[in-house]
Amino acid sequence: DTGVSQDPRHKITKRGQNVTFRCDPISEHNRLYWYRQTLGQGPEFLTYFQNEAQLEKSRLLSDRFSAERPKGSFSTLEIQRTEQGDSAMYLCASSLAGAGDTQYFGPGTRLTVL
Amino acid sequence: AQRVTQPEKLLSVFKGAPVELKCNYSYSGSPELFWYVQYSRQRLQLLLRHISRESIKGFTADLNKGETSFHLKKPFAQEEDSAMYYCALTRGESGYSTLTFGKGTMLLVSP
Repeated sequence: DTGVSQDPRHKITKRGQNVTFRCDPISEHNRLYWYRQTLGQGPEFLTYFQNEAQLEKSRLLSDRFSAERPKGSFSTLEIQRTEQGDSAMYLCASSLAGAGDTQYFGPGTRLTVL
Repeated sequence: AQRVTQPEKLLSVFKGAPVELKCNYSYSGSPELFWYVQYSRQRLQLLLRHISRESIKGFTADLNKGETSFHLKKPFAQEEDSAMYYCALTRGESGYSTLTFGKGTMLLVSP
């Protein structure tokens, strides 16, 4: 499968714990995006990278959230001191700048904070 | 800030009936508009974008800047069209590509 992959697919954690999600984009794509989706809502933008540079962060991304893309390939999204309000589907997408820039989405990581 | 509104949470039609999924947007510049679809147990995928002016799976959408709308239409719905549909926009600025999504409309096509 050469699409965007995300790991894990499901994560259950207790409030106050830290969690980390991984996204592997389509190999030649230089842009990588993180979105969050809660029940009954469309995906909401969190942050995006072009190569290894984090170019934009949403106001939704509190200080407890951090994202990295160290070598311009895979990316990680870490949530520290999780809260029940962090429960959501976390989606990753990737695109190739200058080639229509169509975003291809991964299957998502569903986070449940107890 | 930009916003996308999809007024219907659910649209239920019979097979063969015409379909129109509504999408309105607010943005002061010249946005690029998209429709994404999510079939049951599948990932979100692009259906069409306004700059392509294509018809995909029989669906079309025309950008109406006067009414700030980008409604999705299909003349004859099929059962396999049942899915969640999201309208989205990005600011039409060079180098800017993050998407703003609506809340989505569930389309159910009954036999």
